[in-house]
Amino acid sequence: DTAVSQTPKYLVTQMGNDKSIKCEQNLGHDTMYWYKQDSKKFLKIMFSYNNKELIINETVPNRFSPKSPDKAHLNLHINSLELGDSAVYFCASSQGGDSYNEQFFGPGTRLTVL
Amino acid sequence: DQQVKQNSPSLSVQEGRISILNCDYTNSMFDYFLWYKKYPAEGPTFLISISSIKDKNEDGRFTVFLNKSAKHLSLHIVPSQPGDSAVYFCAASEAGANSKLTFGKGITLSVRP
Repeated sequence: DTAVSQTPKYLVTQMGNDKSIKCEQNLGHDTMYWYKQDSKKFLKIMFSYNNKELIINETVPNRFSPKSPDKAHLNLHINSLELGDSAVYFCASSQGGDSYNEQFFGPGTRLTVL
Repeated sequence: DQQVKQNSPSLSVQEGRISILNCDYTNSMFDYFLWYKKYPAEGPTFLISISSIKDKNEDGRFTVFLNKSAKHLSLHIVPSQPGDSAVYFCAASEAGANSKLTFGKGITLSVRP
């Protein structure tokens, strides 16, 4: 019974394509996040949503667009994929948007852009 | 600009001994610090945290120490077990609502049986 799930787990695609990564949490949390772990292994916040409202939007190219249809879902759509987008993307959720609130992470989606 | 630094990429210790994982930070506005543990092909899981008003927090075999003047924290695991072998991320945040976590790049701990 997975708490935070992501699909797909692996995604291999060509440069220039548009792709989406889906995230769902069944914890009843009100805040969801997207993180990117690049080749240097740093885990960096991209976006956070609280009750479907965008709270954190780091300096991410506007090719990346998060979509939150409801509190339990936060999808990430990426347009015109570039080689530098290759990374592992993690979704997370928490009850409350403060950093004091424990964040639960999904298993990650490894995106490879060829 | 690395605000959270984990300068040692890896650590290997013998089962039963102490593991000490270090983390340094540069942002003096950070007031809350966390450690996350990550196994391969899984997402990070929360391990332990400490507020800047404390200098120590203990949870079973895990203790986190904070030295604010040195902008340094460390995670002690004692006794270390083979199941502790994982990547450990240090993270920090500033005070305030909707504050973000800033992560280090992790330390790979290997506990030898």
